[in-house]
Amino acid sequence: DAGITQSPRHKVTETGTPVTLRCHQTENHRYMYWYRQDPGHGLRLIHYSYGVKDTDKGEVSDGYSVSRSKTEDFLLTLESATSSQTSVYFCAIRAGGAETQYFGPGTRLLVL
Amino acid sequence: DAKTTQPTSMDCAEGRAANLPCNHSTISGNEYVYWYRQIHSQGPQYIIHGLKNNETNEMASLIITEDRKSSTLILPHATLRDTAVYYCIVRVESYNTDKLIFGTGTRLQVFP
Repeated sequence: DAGITQSPRHKVTETGTPVTLRCHQTENHRYMYWYRQDPGHGLRLIHYSYGVKDTDKGEVSDGYSVSRSKTEDFLLTLESATSSQTSVYFCAIRAGGAETQYFGPGTRLLVL
Repeated sequence: DAKTTQPTSMDCAEGRAANLPCNHSTISGNEYVYWYRQIHSQGPQYIIHGLKNNETNEMASLIITEDRKSSTLILPHATLRDTAVYYCIVRVESYNTDKLIFGTGTRLQVFP
């Protein structure tokens, strides 16, 4: 599992509330990623980070922000959750000589 | 960005080889082909990757055609635990990071 944990693993929230998902890694990897997975779409990149305080947008970044104040944590924030953000969110890190991405266990988010 | 095309689903008898095809006709010369699988909503699991040459590891073999427009993932002796969705992915290098472009994958069902 490349030392990746995600919290919470499940969350139910209401439209309009802020939500923060946490990705934590223990192996000092520089690159971290947030994806969302929805039926019929595969996984889509939301944001990524290439170092502390260095982040950039992916293909579906609208409505999301991220922060990385220390190497081990990459936070994904939904400032005002909407029902369209109901999804499964996966964090990934890049590691190994082949620079392969390894994924965390996921967070299931339901926005009512 | 290069996209991939895979069959929606496939079946395979336990103990037999599972051959999963993938088309990536627009792949660029420096783009890698990666294979991941996802078992029942867990995080995607890395299997194997290659650029030009065929590759083999403890999980699978990857056969890439000479023109690189298609590839085949081979699970030599499929087991019931190999039942999963298999994603063929083109890895794109871009400024500051890489991108994994996921399609909708092939659902492989291994039956007794």
